[in-house]
Amino acid sequence: DIVLTQAPLSVSVTPGESASISCRSSKSLLSSKGITSLYWYLQRPGKSPQLLIYQMSNLASGVPDRFSSSGSETDFTLKISKVETEDVGVYYCGHRLEYPWTFGGGTKLELK
Amino acid sequence: EVQLVESGGGLVQPGRSMKLSCAASGFTFSSFPMAWVRQAPTKGLEWVATISTSGGSTYYRDSVKGRFTISRDNAKSTLYLQMNSLRSEDTATYYCTRDAGSGWGQGVMVTVSS
Repeated sequence: DIVLTQAPLSVSVTPGESASISCRSSKSLLSSKGITSLYWYLQRPGKSPQLLIYQMSNLASGVPDRFSSSGSETDFTLKISKVETEDVGVYYCGHRLEYPWTFGGGTKLELK
Repeated sequence: EVQLVESGGGLVQPGRSMKLSCAASGFTFSSFPMAWVRQAPTKGLEWVATISTSGGSTYYRDSVKGRFTISRDNAKSTLYLQMNSLRSEDTATYYCTRDAGSGWGQGVMVTVSS
């Protein structure tokens, strides 16, 4: 199974500042079709997860452009610029390259 | 707007069965693969199963193979998860999701306990 390792476990950010979350894969997530199968999700407190980023760098519908993602075949970074109160929650990376789909352990974002 | 509404959860004894349903609306259900993802209390996300658009292909995590069955009724825009031989480690909130997570239900709690 592909293991996704997120860092840090938690991050505390001053509103208006930026935050970065790392996700490292145990295997290349580049598919034979040239698509990098890496996704980012946010789960706000008490809510269902929502998709933020698909295929490594594409913003999901309705997601503000303060969110961005980049990476290589195995190392990925989610960046949140100008953090707002609504960004609080747990961020997960996940892949869809092969079965079983797996998720990272999550990174909790809090406000200072 | 994508809407996914799960139902069918609750308390069940170990070894018994339970069937979850997910009613979809706001999109062409038959055009999307669907999946179940679960989250044990205070834990992270765990993929459970995926089904292709036609229902002809299904995929499961090893720990539920042979016990869980994912299915769909495209005419009713509904996704199902039949769970048999339930174990305490199956206790979780179960989410119905569209494709790779481009839509999530509100989740339904399944508690397996005697």
